[in-house]
Amino acid sequence: DAGITQSPRHKVTETGTPVTLRCHQTENHRYMYWYRQDPGHGLRLIHYSYGVKDTDKGEVSDGYSVSRSKTEDFLLTLESATSSQTSVYFCAISAGLAGSYNEQFFGPGTRLTVL
Amino acid sequence: AQSVAQPEDQVNVAEGNPLTVKCTYSVSGNPYLFWYVQYPNRGLQFLLKYITGDNLVKGSYGFEAEFNKSQTSFHLKKPSALVSDSALYFCAVRDGGNAGNMLTFGGGTRLMVKP
Repeated sequence: DAGITQSPRHKVTETGTPVTLRCHQTENHRYMYWYRQDPGHGLRLIHYSYGVKDTDKGEVSDGYSVSRSKTEDFLLTLESATSSQTSVYFCAISAGLAGSYNEQFFGPGTRLTVL
Repeated sequence: AQSVAQPEDQVNVAEGNPLTVKCTYSVSGNPYLFWYVQYPNRGLQFLLKYITGDNLVKGSYGFEAEFNKSQTSFHLKKPSALVSDSALYFCAVRDGGNAGNMLTFGGGTRLMVKP
């Protein structure tokens, strides 16, 4: 999966607990993204990063925060998990400057269940 | 704003027959269009993209897609389907004026190829 790892791959947690998902890349790509995948919705962008400490919101950012302190790592945090955040989470990376048309490459996904 | 529609939740085709998976899009600027495939319990894999130039784009695993500007469509095609092509297919679009390389995905089409 294009030098992208996600951890953990599976997690079960309880409502109200904090959860952090990690994405790690070895490609030195500038852009990193977090998506969630739910049946009937395809993939929806949560947050993305265009450089170290540079992040912005996506379509479904409420309840999520991100951080990127190193080029290779992009963390997604659910401050207080809710059952509606049960989903499969994918990290993606992309090379190039803003305005480029590089395709995104996806990690293997993290299946999160919030009870 | 940019959007993508995949009008068919599922496409069924017999092995050896041609297949088409439909995608229509809406952007305000020039479209950058992508097709991805997802196998069970895996991340998305890039198949092909249209940026500019020839309206017929060839990609991985024998797939191709035809860009039609007047119909705002980017249908995925393959001349002869294989059982191993059975998977979930996603169309995605990016507005050429969109900084951050953000993609909008369709809801996905499940392709079932029967022997």
